[in-house]
Amino acid sequence: DIQMTQSPSTLSASVGDRVTITCRASQTISNWLAWYQQKPGKAPKVLIYKASRLESGVPSRFSGSGSGTDFTLTIRSLQPDDFATYYCQQYNSYPLTFGGGTKVEIK
Amino acid sequence: EVQLVQSGAEVKKPGESLKISCKASGYSFTSYWIGWVRQMPGQGLEWMGSIYPGDSETRYSPSFQAQVTISADKSISTVYLQWSRLKASDSAMYYCARGLVRGAETPVPFDYWGQATLVTVSS
Repeated sequence: DIQMTQSPSTLSASVGDRVTITCRASQTISNWLAWYQQKPGKAPKVLIYKASRLESGVPSRFSGSGSGTDFTLTIRSLQPDDFATYYCQQYNSYPLTFGGGTKVEIK
Repeated sequence: EVQLVQSGAEVKKPGESLKISCKASGYSFTSYWIGWVRQMPGQGLEWMGSIYPGDSETRYSPSFQAQVTISADKSISTVYLQWSRLKASDSAMYYCARGLVRGAETPVPFDYWGQATLVTVSS
């Protein structure tokens, strides 16, 4: 199985900050990576797929980059609605695997 | 409008069987993979398995292969997740989710998600 490691596990930030979350795969996954946002009590929402493609309707302050084993999710200017937990997911091969999550908290 | 509507919360005893459902609407049911994702209390997301309703091809995570069965009924656009003998450790929130790409022959991420089904297993 491909292991996905996210860092940090928790991040404290203020509105307007630039936030970066990293995700590392245990083996190369090309660019078959997605990012999700999950708020408490809600289903996850896909933000980015194929490492850098923004899902329709997702604000442009979200961006993704990387390929191979190292990936980054960046929120350009953190908004109040962005405080949530973020997960990466590889879909290079089965079994699909998620990172452990990064909780973005209010500083 | 694409919708995945899951069955309601369940409370069961260890050893009992259970089948929860995910009814799809608003798109071609047979053309997209649907997966199941577990989220234990306060924990992250775990992919359990996925099914392609068009031909019932099913893929399982090795962690769940022996524990659950995923099936689909094309006549009512519904996917199921089934246990034959529940354990207390099966207590969790379960989400169904649609694969992002139509007719995908390789793994895909998920775009639309159900509202979740809470399963509680307790004696």
